[in-house]
Amino acid sequence: EEQLVESGGGVVRPGGSLRLSCAASGFTFDDYGMSWVRQAPGKGLEWVSGITWSGGSTGYSDSVKGRFTISRDNAKNSLYLQMNSLRAEDTALYHCARGYYGSGRGWFDPWGQGTLVTVSS
Amino acid sequence: EIVMTQSPATLSVSPGDRATLSCRASQSVSSSLAWYQQKPGQAPRLLIYGASTRATGIPARFSGSGSGTEFTLTISSLQSEDFAVYCCQQYNNWPGTFGQGTKLEIK
Repeated sequence: EEQLVESGGGVVRPGGSLRLSCAASGFTFDDYGMSWVRQAPGKGLEWVSGITWSGGSTGYSDSVKGRFTISRDNAKNSLYLQMNSLRAEDTALYHCARGYYGSGRGWFDPWGQGTLVTVSS
Repeated sequence: EIVMTQSPATLSVSPGDRATLSCRASQSVSSSLAWYQQKPGQAPRLLIYGASTRATGIPARFSGSGSGTEFTLTISSLQSEDFAVYCCQQYNNWPGTFGQGTKLEIK
C-alpha cells in the first residue's frame, strides 16, 4: 500500500522555525516529484512547495518563497520542509503528497493525513 | 493565478440519490482538472484526473465531466461513505490551484 506519513508539526511562536518530515512507503520514492500542500482553518487547499525526484529543482508558492525550504533524502524515502520566519498565516494542516511538481502528472496522489502547524504567541 | 470556484458550498442529498457538484475556473484549464474527496482525520483521496478519468480503485458511481472553465463531479446513488467534502484542482497553469470545496451532507 502506498503511504505517506507526516510528522514534526506543533506550536511555534511567530518568527520561529519548524521542520516537517514525510516518510514514504509502498512505492519507489525516487521515481517521483513530491509536494507539500497545506490547508488553513476554514480555507481551501494551497500548494506550498515541490521538488523533483532528484532534488535538483524546487518550487515554492509566493506566500512562502524565501522562508521555506523543501528537500528530500531518497536513501531514507523521506521528504522535508524547513519552515523559517513563521507567521500566523502559516497556521495550517500540512500534507505531504506525491506528484504535481517535477512530475509527469499534475494531480496529487497519494496524500498523507497531515501534520498540524500552529503559529501563535 | 487561476481562481477555482465551487458551488454550492453545501449540498444536502439523501442516500441513494444523485449529487451534482460544480467547479468553475476563472480562465480555461483545458481538461487539466482533478477532484478530491476529504474526510476529517483522513488523507485527501484522488477521485478524478484529466477531468473525467477515474483514479485507481474509485467506484464507477463517481464520474467527472467538462472542459475549459466548467466542470462537474457526479455521484450517482450516494452511499453513506460518500458524505464528505469534495474539492477540485486545476493543474493547467502555474501554480496549481484548488477550489474552496463543496460539503456533501446527508439530507
